[in-house]
Amino acid sequence: AQKVTQAQTEISVVEKEDVTLDCVYETRDTTYYLFWYKQPPSGELVFLIRRNSFDEQNEISGRYSWNFQKSTSSFNFTITASQVVDSAVYFCALFSNTGKLIFGQGTTLQVKP
Amino acid sequence: EAGVAQSPRYKIIEKRQSVAFWCNPISGHATLYWYQQILGQGPKLLIQFQNNGVVDDSQLPKDRFSAERLKGVDSTLKIQPAKLEDSAVYLCASSLDRDTEAFFGQGTRLTVV
Repeated sequence: AQKVTQAQTEISVVEKEDVTLDCVYETRDTTYYLFWYKQPPSGELVFLIRRNSFDEQNEISGRYSWNFQKSTSSFNFTITASQVVDSAVYFCALFSNTGKLIFGQGTTLQVKP
Repeated sequence: EAGVAQSPRYKIIEKRQSVAFWCNPISGHATLYWYQQILGQGPKLLIQFQNNGVVDDSQLPKDRFSAERLKGVDSTLKIQPAKLEDSAVYLCASSLDRDTEAFFGQGTRLTVV
């Protein structure tokens, strides 16, 4: 079965704090892709990152970084020095040989000034 | 580059009425998705097209929902008759191919009263 679990429903931090959003996935496929999307209040899902299952290197993009660990089936997302504009719902998603892009339930991040 | 276009942005209908949503994907994108996102949940795949063929419609309530993608470009999702539980945001997305990142439109917020 393919499944994505985002155990944190809501997270609230104060601006400039670092915050990590957890994502745990389940798949029996050896080839798969993991994604993170941001959904601001406007509603549009904004693509953040795509990672294939053979590339376990961590990635950093500005204040964003991603930690992919196959051993624990996790693909966590860290925002460093959070800003109010980071407030949104963040979704982790899995694409595997089923051909479907499956989303987790999402984590609502609130960054307070 | 133009993004995924959806219309209308908002729609309010009474139960048992019909409604149709339109999606124009990014030019050249072979894969088109329709997702249903109920408030507080992650997007759920309704149907996935590869060019003008259906790849997956296992979660589409076929007794009331239908979708088509004529000529492998634009797509229409129809609900007839609508139920109260169909109230949700309907998101259209497209990708170059099935395992590449999907780009989402702003969605259509449907309220069934």
